[in-house]
Amino acid sequence: GEDVEQSLFLSVREGDSSVINCTYTDSSSTYLYWYKQEPGAGLQLLTYIFSNMDMKQDQRLTVLLNKKDKHLSLRIADTQTGDSAIYFCAESIRDYKLSFGAGTTVTVRA
Amino acid sequence: NAGVTQTPKFRVLKTGQSMTLLCAQDMNHEYMYWYRQDPGMGLRLIHYSVGEGTTAKGEVPDGYNVSRLKKQNFLLGLESAAPSQTSVYFCASSWTSGGGEQFFGPGTRLTVL
Repeated sequence: GEDVEQSLFLSVREGDSSVINCTYTDSSSTYLYWYKQEPGAGLQLLTYIFSNMDMKQDQRLTVLLNKKDKHLSLRIADTQTGDSAIYFCAESIRDYKLSFGAGTTVTVRA
Repeated sequence: NAGVTQTPKFRVLKTGQSMTLLCAQDMNHEYMYWYRQDPGMGLRLIHYSVGEGTTAKGEVPDGYNVSRLKKQNFLLGLESAAPSQTSVYFCASSWTSGGGEQFFGPGTRLTVL
């Protein structure tokens, strides 16, 4: 079955880099995603990576994909207080469905 | 464009009561989804639809029914609410091609007493 795992909490100092890790199980996933959820809101897509890519960079965000180990990571450079949120890793499965991890709560401290 | 909207935003039910959650999207998306979010468990798929008039079961369908009579609307029904259905419910929609990005509504917080 599909199972996406990620650590539940991360605390980071403002200005430092944050790294959120995720492992997935479905080797046939075409896309892998990072979503952000701010308090009281729905999920917003941060970025996604196609499965034939190793890395994708988008401003402060860097996504690394290790397909052999089924490992995905999201690095946020120069973390700001506005980056405090829950971050979800998700993999695409059949019928355009997504399988989500439990979410990593990122707390940015001054 | 409003994107994906959900009504109501909050609701409190007594055990055994019924209700319908409404999701609407104005992006002409074919696919629509209902999820529930519980602490420490991420999002779990309840039901989904691949087009007008179609529905399919997701990961946790028991106790819920859905209908997709119009392409832009996806309704989630609870026939006899139970405390275990206390959760935050999210609707999402997506195209059938490209990156498969799902667009989410703001959520409905449901409490069943």
